[in-house]
Amino acid sequence: AAGVIQSPRHLIKEKRETATLKCYPIPRHDTVYWYQQGPGQDPQFLISFYEKMQSDKGSIPDRFSAQQFSDYHSELNMSSLELGDSALYFCASSSTELGDTQYFGPGTRLTVL
Amino acid sequence: AQTVTQSQPEMSVQEAETVTLSCTYDTSENNYYLFWYKQPPSRQMILVIRQEAYKQQNATENRFSVNFQKAAKSFSLKISDSQLGDTAMYFCAFMKLGYSGAGSYQLTFGKGTKLSVIP
Repeated sequence: AAGVIQSPRHLIKEKRETATLKCYPIPRHDTVYWYQQGPGQDPQFLISFYEKMQSDKGSIPDRFSAQQFSDYHSELNMSSLELGDSALYFCASSSTELGDTQYFGPGTRLTVL
Repeated sequence: AQTVTQSQPEMSVQEAETVTLSCTYDTSENNYYLFWYKQPPSRQMILVIRQEAYKQQNATENRFSVNFQKAAKSFSLKISDSQLGDTAMYFCAFMKLGYSGAGSYQLTFGKGTKLSVIP
C-alpha cells in the first residue's frame, strides 16, 4: 500500500538559511499534519491542513509557514534557521472517511549548523 | 489541555515472553481516540493499535492488545510472544475529537517507553 512520502530525507543547513520540506500524503487522504521531534523528545504538533485549508496551529514559530496545494501535497517552509530547529520533522496524513487515523511519513532529518 | 503519561522510561523483555507498557491520560473530553505508535531505531513512526473511547471492547492486532480502562483513564499495551523486531520506542498518543472538525485532531504524545527485547 502507498505510504506518506517526505522529501528530502536529510537536510543540512547553516544558521539563518531557509529550508523547504515536502510531504506527499497517502492517495485520497484529505488531511495533513506536521510534527517536530527533537532529540530524545516526543513529537510536537506544528500545523495541520484539511482540504487545502489550514485547520489548526500548534507550537509553530512565526519563522515557519506551511501550505497545502491543489494536489494535496504540503510544504513546510522554515526561514532564519536556528540551531534549535535541528530535529526530525514528520508529516502525517489521514482520511475523514476512513476514521482519521494518522499515518506518518519517514520524516525529514534537519540539521542546522 | 490533554496530558499523556508513560511512567516507564525503559523496559526489557525476553524473546517470546509477554510485556505490558503503561499509559495514563488526563482529559475532560468524552469523545476521543487512543493510539500506540512504535518508533524503531530507523525513527519511522508506525501505528501499532487504535482504540475508540466509545468502544468498551479492547482492541487487538495480532500479538498486540490493549487494556482500556476509561474511568481510570488508563490505556496499557500488551505485547505477547515478544520478537527482536519489537525493540523500539513506544509512544502512547491521545486524539481529541470534537466540534472543530477534520484537521483539528492533533495527536498528543507521551514521553515514550524504550522497549528492548533480549534474545
